[in-house]
Order: sequence, then structure tokens, then C-alpha cells
Amino acid sequence: GAGVSQTPSNKVTEKGKYVELRCDPISGHTALYWYRQSLGQGPEFLIYFQGTGAADDSGLPNDRFFAVRPEGSVSTLKIQRTERGDSAVYLCASSSDPGGRGYTFGSGTRLTVV
Amino acid sequence: AQSVTQPDIHITVSEGASLELRCNYSYGATPYLFWYVQSPGQGLQLLLKYFSGDTLVQGIKGFEAEFKRSQSSFNLRKPSVHWSDAAEYFCAVDTGTASKLTFGTGTRLQVTL
Repeated sequence: GAGVSQTPSNKVTEKGKYVELRCDPISGHTALYWYRQSLGQGPEFLIYFQGTGAADDSGLPNDRFFAVRPEGSVSTLKIQRTERGDSAVYLCASSSDPGGRGYTFGSGTRLTVV
Repeated sequence: AQSVTQPDIHITVSEGASLELRCNYSYGATPYLFWYVQSPGQGLQLLLKYFSGDTLVQGIKGFEAEFKRSQSSFNLRKPSVHWSDAAEYFCAVDTGTASKLTFGTGTRLQVTL
């Protein structure tokens, strides 16, 4: 596609529920990143994929968070047993350069846990 | 670990006035430096980036930034602000390992007519 697409754009879920957030990168981009942006903060790195594998998952806050990219294209960020503190905008970005020198970001998914 | 400081949380300027947004970073070597802009409900758009070479970098929308090694700064400037520049601006650094960006907390720019 022309840009990075993230769905849904908004998600409201109840505390304790499971959610999946989808990212469809720019076609041909091998590198894919997830960031989380809490209110009033800059984005914080979560995980980086190069192809199908997670090259760096050091930003995932705990084992409730997991991400996959099984075919090296679309990625899904999965959050189990959601907590109110998980409420944030989840941003996805992709790059054709494995060095990631200037990604293209999607518009994000706003997750609200009530 | 690297860090980025944007000391100004909120700045208000009049349309047509000049603008400078401050960014300081902490890192042992020269990092890769970026400025992004985020409008409400939108993703982050890259304004400009510095990797090496000329320390004055030109970007889109008439923005420029200057890398000053001695001050560990990468301030963003625009000679004449337009009302459409109102947005949140983020400075970020990439230390070249794993390609992950560290962002500042952002500066919200308000433009008065």
C-alpha cells in the first residue's frame, strides 16, 4: 500500500480482555517497528522485526505483550489480560532500510482499557 | 543509555514569526538525529534527519536543524511560521544499534494569528 496501515484506529476494551492490533507495512519494507505513545509522552520502542523474526524485543514491558510477523509483512501486536495502564496509542512503522534511517509511521491505534 | 531532552513543553508564536525548538541529547558518540512532527490524530511525519556531513540540515515544509556537537544539540528552526505548523514536534536519536529511536517528550507548538 501507499502507507503504513494500522487497524483498528480505535479500540476500547475491558480490563482483563485480550486485544490484537494489526499493522500492514509499506509493500516491500523488510523492517517493522512497534512503538507505544502514552499521553503527553514521546513514543517508546517496543519491538523491531527484520523479516519474520524479532530482531529486538527489549522494549516489550512484560510477558503480556507479544508480537508476530509470520510472513514478513503484516504484524500483529497482542496484549493479554489488558490493564488500564496499557491505554496508549500504539504506533507501527516500517522501513526498506534495515538500518531504519527514517521510518514511515502509521496513524496508530488508540487503545483504551476501561 | 541515550536520552533526549526537549526542555520546552509548550511554545506559542505568532504567524510569520521565527521559531526555534530545542533538543539536547545524551550519547557518547555522534548519534543519528531526527525531527518528527505529529498533528492531532495523525502518525509521525519525518521533517529532517542528520547522519553525518554538513551540520545544517534542510527538511520539508521550510524547516532546518543544526547539529552542534559541542552543545549536544540539534535545534529545529523555521524563519516564518505558518498557522498550519501548529502540531507536536519530537526530536529523536538512533544510536545505530537495532535501529530503535529514543524520542524526547515533545514540544507542542501553538500558532496565533
